Amino acid sequence: AQSVTQPDIHITVSEGASLELRCNYSYGATPYLFWYVQSPGQGLQLLLKYFSGDTLVQGIKGFEAEFKRSQSSFNLRKPSVHWSDAAEYFCAVGASSSNDYKLSFGAGTTVTVRA
Amino acid sequence: DTEVTQTPKHLVMGMTNKKSLKCEQHMGHRAMYWYKQKAKKPPELMFVYSYEKLSINESVPSRFSPECPNSSLLNLHLHALQPEDSALYLCASSQVHSLEQYFGPGTRLTVT
Repeated sequence: AQSVTQPDIHITVSEGASLELRCNYSYGATPYLFWYVQSPGQGLQLLLKYFSGDTLVQGIKGFEAEFKRSQSSFNLRKPSVHWSDAAEYFCAVGASSSNDYKLSFGAGTTVTVRA
Repeated sequence: DTEVTQTPKHLVMGMTNKKSLKCEQHMGHRAMYWYKQKAKKPPELMFVYSYEKLSINESVPSRFSPECPNSSLLNLHLHALQPEDSALYLCASSQVHSLEQYFGPGTRLTVT
C-alpha cells in the first residue's frame, strides 16, 4: 500500500521569503501525487497534481512542485510567500495501479507566516 | 469558487438526536466521498459512492448512514452519535476512476 511522510510538522517563514515543504512517498510504481492546502476551518483546496510527464508541475497561487523518483519525493515550493499562505498543507498519494482509487494523506505541515 | 457545497456549515447535536449533513456538487462528477477530519489531522476516508452506489465503506459505525439520492447529491445521516464523533466532515467529488478529488468547505459537527 502507498504512504506519505511529511517530515516537517510546523514551518515558520517570513513574508516575502521562499518556502519549501517536503513530501516523501512510498509506492512501488509511478504514483499519482497531490498537494492540498487547508485554511483554518475550511475544506481542502487542490494546489497541484502530478500524474506523469514533466517532473516540475505548476499549480495555483504561485506554487510549484518537483517529482524526484530517485528520492521518492514531491516537494512543494513557492518563491515568495504572502501572509495569506498561512495554512495547513497536505501531500497525498494515490496508487496508479489500484482499483480502489483512495488517497493516502500525509500528516500535514502547518505554515506560519510572520510579518 | 467552490463547486462542492456543504450544509450546514456548523451543527451541534445531542447524543440522542438525528440529523443529516448534505453535500452537492456541480462538477458533473460521478464519484463522491465522505471524510472525517479531527483537528490537526489529515482527512480519514469514510465512504465512497460511484455512480450513486456505495463502493467503499471504511468500517464506519452504523450510527453514520450515507445516502446518494442522485449524481449531484450526497447525504450523511447521523443518529446516536458520541462526543468523539465531533469533527469536521468533508465531502469530495471526482470523476469515477480518478484520484483528483475536489473538496467542499466542510461541516463542523459538535456532539454534546
